[in-house]
Amino acid sequence: LAKTTQPISMDSYEGQEVNITCSHNNIATNDYITWYQQFPSQGPRFIIQGYKTKVTNEVASLFIPADRKSSTLSLPRVSLSDTAVYYCLVGEYNFNKFYFGSGTKLNVKP
Amino acid sequence: ETGVTQTPRHLVMGMTNKKSLKCEQHLGHNAMYWYKQSAKKPLELMFVYNFKEQTENNSVPSRFSPECPNSSHLFLHLHTLQPEDSALYLCASSQADYGYTFGSGTRLTVV
Repeated sequence: LAKTTQPISMDSYEGQEVNITCSHNNIATNDYITWYQQFPSQGPRFIIQGYKTKVTNEVASLFIPADRKSSTLSLPRVSLSDTAVYYCLVGEYNFNKFYFGSGTKLNVKP
Repeated sequence: ETGVTQTPRHLVMGMTNKKSLKCEQHLGHNAMYWYKQSAKKPLELMFVYNFKEQTENNSVPSRFSPECPNSSHLFLHLHTLQPEDSALYLCASSQADYGYTFGSGTRLTVV
């Protein structure tokens, strides 16, 4: 199982772009990279998923370098409501086993 | 609503009680999961069901007993729990190469 390493916490201000980087040095060939957002006392919510290069949706962008040993979640113009814990997961869905790390607690300040 | 419904949202039970948590999804997903989230700890994968068959039991104590009668429903039967089992229990479902959809969880308190 590919282990992930993320910063424990980050602070930002409203309107700024936030980049959260995740390290996954032993990622396997068939592994995807997925990011989730979790608010207190709620289940995590899927944000974005990618395999390589760049993926963008209406919420975020995901940047994955060629060696795939890391990935960066980019949140454009954050607001107070983006204060949450963000998890990076690596794995292959065919095996249906994903393990969550400690995540990054993002605190957005006014 | 995410499409994955968990009941009850809150549960307080004594150590000698027997209770069950219920999870229901009508997303057409073929895999369902139970996760446990204790305070200030990462989510812990407990059980995985694929097409109603249990494919993972992540060294969970036998006082937790899962049941998956069909691909839309998942239960977690609880008996003789300990106070340290107090946590947020999350159900999720998934389909093929796509992300999980989580329910809102059941906040369990064992007294």
